[in-house]
Amino acid sequence: DAGITQSPRHKVTETGTPVTLRCHQTENHRYMYWYRQDPGHGLRLIHYSYGVKDTDKGEVSDGYSVSRSKTEDFLLTLESATSSQTSVYFCATSHHGGSSNYGYTFGSGTRLTVV
Amino acid sequence: GENVEQHPSTLSVQEGDSAVIKCTYSDSASNYFPWYKQELGKGPQLIIDIRSNVGEKKDQRIAVTLNKTAKHFSLHITETQPEDSAVYFCAAHITGNQFYFGTGTSLTVIP
Repeated sequence: DAGITQSPRHKVTETGTPVTLRCHQTENHRYMYWYRQDPGHGLRLIHYSYGVKDTDKGEVSDGYSVSRSKTEDFLLTLESATSSQTSVYFCATSHHGGSSNYGYTFGSGTRLTVV
Repeated sequence: GENVEQHPSTLSVQEGDSAVIKCTYSDSASNYFPWYKQELGKGPQLIIDIRSNVGEKKDQRIAVTLNKTAKHFSLHITETQPEDSAVYFCAAHITGNQFYFGTGTSLTVIP
């Protein structure tokens, strides 16, 4: 995961505050994804992007928004953080996206705690 | 959508023994099945994958088998070593769709 950097690595925030997580890649991959990881649920897709300014919702998108203004950066924003959004967030990239069967490259994750 | 179930959730084995993790999927259109290893504090890393036109694939001590009729696939690790201790995730993918992940198996290899 050397080509994918997530920031911050850890964050504690208060309920109701906005939070932005950043994913930066040097892989020049077209497709980028945000997942959350919770015990008993595995990895669940929040949002994904198939190109600059092209994004779409995943299965757990409520309360989250994303933006992608450059190929290398994919931002995840919690407009008003809630305790249910306490989780570990992973960014992933893929060169081929869903059109071909290739695995993802994951970042190291951001541990977010909402108090 | 696709539903992937993974068992067991935890697994402990003695060093040198084999470990087997099993996954089932619900959508017969799934045609790609990767396995990921996640070490503590790190992101998941792809370790092996199999496509639906293949029944088995090996890479040194790890192997994956696929039974399309029964809709299940398994990860086999032989001659386990302490560095194999991690959380393992299976996933199923339909071309043009997203990946669906299992809930993970925490493997502990006891020296």
